[in-house]
Amino acid sequence: QKEVEQNSGPLSVPEGAIASLNCTYSDRGSQSFFWYRQYSGKSPELIMFIYSNGDKEDGRFTAQLNKASQYVSLLIRDSQPSDSATYLCAPGGAQKLVFGQGTRLTINP
Amino acid sequence: KAGVTQTPRYLIKTRGQQVTLSCSPISGHRSVSWYQQTPGQGLQFLFEYFSETQRNKGNFPGRFSGRQFSNSRSEMNVSTLELGDSALYLCASSPEGTGYSPLHFGNGTRLTVT
Repeated sequence: QKEVEQNSGPLSVPEGAIASLNCTYSDRGSQSFFWYRQYSGKSPELIMFIYSNGDKEDGRFTAQLNKASQYVSLLIRDSQPSDSATYLCAPGGAQKLVFGQGTRLTINP
Repeated sequence: KAGVTQTPRYLIKTRGQQVTLSCSPISGHRSVSWYQQTPGQGLQFLFEYFSETQRNKGNFPGRFSGRQFSNSRSEMNVSTLELGDSALYLCASSPEGTGYSPLHFGNGTRLTVT
């Protein structure tokens, strides 16, 4: 089993809809979780991090964490074409972040 | 505050050669991590340095090595290059690198091995 699993997509969502991205992880010791966005040809940039079970909201983004199920998700409300990118999930561990393969999201105008 | 700076941006090398990549972290950040990104394998962890010491290493052959200097700048070296080493190499810094603080990535070095 891979340490971090994400649906590679591509995930296609109409503009204005909610995009839902999911991530499961194997390390029960992971206490922090990061979501990065990577535009084509660019480096990853941090968009959300979450430490506690439940939801964390930041603008149009909501991260949801369920440690018992080892599952973290990212919801993007009112999706915009500028949200089209690859989204990478990374559970935090000692001294390193292990990234999933990423989900490629396309927002259709 | 200046971001993470990686040099060079692009490199073309021949099989068998060696290459050195450089990374200057954000001022005040003491942890530097290196990642290799390829379309097939995604982002893979190479190693992490903190205060000139390698604290963690990924599953890469010994041809991949690195070091960190007292000013936190880091270099990564790949010897005896193979075609499969063609990738985007990303450096990232964080204040303490505990895994609880986010990484800040540089723009990467695109290495092509022919």
